Amino acid sequence: GESVGLHLPTLSVQEGDNSIINCAYSNSASDYFIWYKQESGKGPQFIIDIRSNMDKRQGQRVTVLLNKTVKHLSLQIAATQPGDSAVYFCAENSGTSYDKVIFGPGTSLSVIP
Amino acid sequence: NAGVTQTPKFQVLKTGQSMTLQCAQDMNHEYMSWYRQDPGMGLRLIHYSVGAGITDQGEVPNGYNVSRSTTEDFPLRLLSAAPSQTSVYFCASSSDRNTEAFFGQGTRLTVV
Repeated sequence: GESVGLHLPTLSVQEGDNSIINCAYSNSASDYFIWYKQESGKGPQFIIDIRSNMDKRQGQRVTVLLNKTVKHLSLQIAATQPGDSAVYFCAENSGTSYDKVIFGPGTSLSVIP
Repeated sequence: NAGVTQTPKFQVLKTGQSMTLQCAQDMNHEYMSWYRQDPGMGLRLIHYSVGAGITDQGEVPNGYNVSRSTTEDFPLRLLSAAPSQTSVYFCASSSDRNTEAFFGQGTRLTVV
């Protein structure tokens, strides 16, 4: 299940199940969104992105859904594997300058073998 | 293809010391940035650059300086280290503001 810990929201899923990680973004003017995966001791890695003129985009085993009405982004991971255990961040870009990229606090995903 | 390379990986400083965190990318990206990552918080932008010779402040610039003399390199200087600067620092680069950023492996800095 999902819980809010002292630092990061955490999500525990059984291997093979689907995972859904949610993100509420802050600025209705944001026009570009990215999901990153960060494994322990490493830098964030790009997973998938979506622009504001779309509401869904699919990659390999991952799907991003964008709901602009409620400013909500979700990342769905199909058939979750142990290698998916990591912290997942959403990022939104709301302006013409680089300092308008805002990262969410992240969600920690644990996959139970 | 090395991507984004940060050095050092770990560093311990005494309060008041200065140091430079190095960042280099080999992808010919115009955009480079420095973030700090603290427990329970998302990445926070310190400084960024949209090209050689151009730098600007992010959300938390105090206590840090940057320069961008070449496209490849974007060093971050801590002027007088403070315990509040204990954090993990990430350098990133991208070809444009609306494309994915490539991150380095991070520098874990402890100020005692």
